[in-house]
Amino acid sequence: AQSVAQPEDQVNVAEGNPLTVKCTYSVSGNPYLFWYVQYPNRGLQFLLKYITGDNLVKGSYGFEAEFNKSQTSFHLKKPSALVSDSALYFCAVGRGYSTLTFGKGTMLLVSP
Amino acid sequence: EADIYQTPRYLVIGTGKKITLECSQTMGHDKMYWYQQDPGMELHLIHYSYGVNSTEKGDLSSESTVSRIRTEHFPLTLESARPSHTSQYLCASSERTGGINEQFFGPGTRLTVL
Repeated sequence: AQSVAQPEDQVNVAEGNPLTVKCTYSVSGNPYLFWYVQYPNRGLQFLLKYITGDNLVKGSYGFEAEFNKSQTSFHLKKPSALVSDSALYFCAVGRGYSTLTFGKGTMLLVSP
Repeated sequence: EADIYQTPRYLVIGTGKKITLECSQTMGHDKMYWYQQDPGMELHLIHYSYGVNSTEKGDLSSESTVSRIRTEHFPLTLESARPSHTSQYLCASSERTGGINEQFFGPGTRLTVL
């Protein structure tokens, strides 16, 4: 069975500093990996995905994620955080024909 | 503009009432999903559909039911609402082709059952 772990409930970073939100996964076969962001009282917005190819995936709003097969990780990164990046971030792994398994989410707080 | 819509955005209702949460998408997607999410918590898949006349139960047992009579419409119904149904309900859709594709989410319906 597929699973996703987001080990940090909350990540705090100062504006302008780099940020990393961690995600590890467990899946049989090749992984389909996704990152989503959720702002208060909103649905989830797709940020980026990894299916195959380059281990560094670039996505929306300056975010990128690094796929590491040996460590079964897919960490979300951004070189310079903005206060407006403060939100809830979800990692997800694809399974079966079309469904996703989501992690518990990590709250990112960027201070001015 | 292609989008996914949910109505109502907020609903406060008494115990025992029948409710239907609406979800429509103009993205031309075959696959649609319903998730339940408590505020700030993880998402739980409760129903999904591969296309018209297809409905499947998700991971989280739910007393709700769904239907898929039209491609663009995937309503969720609770025959008798209870306080335990209080939660946020998110609808999503994705393309059918090309393996596992990203899902696009609606804004959600926040349901409160008194």
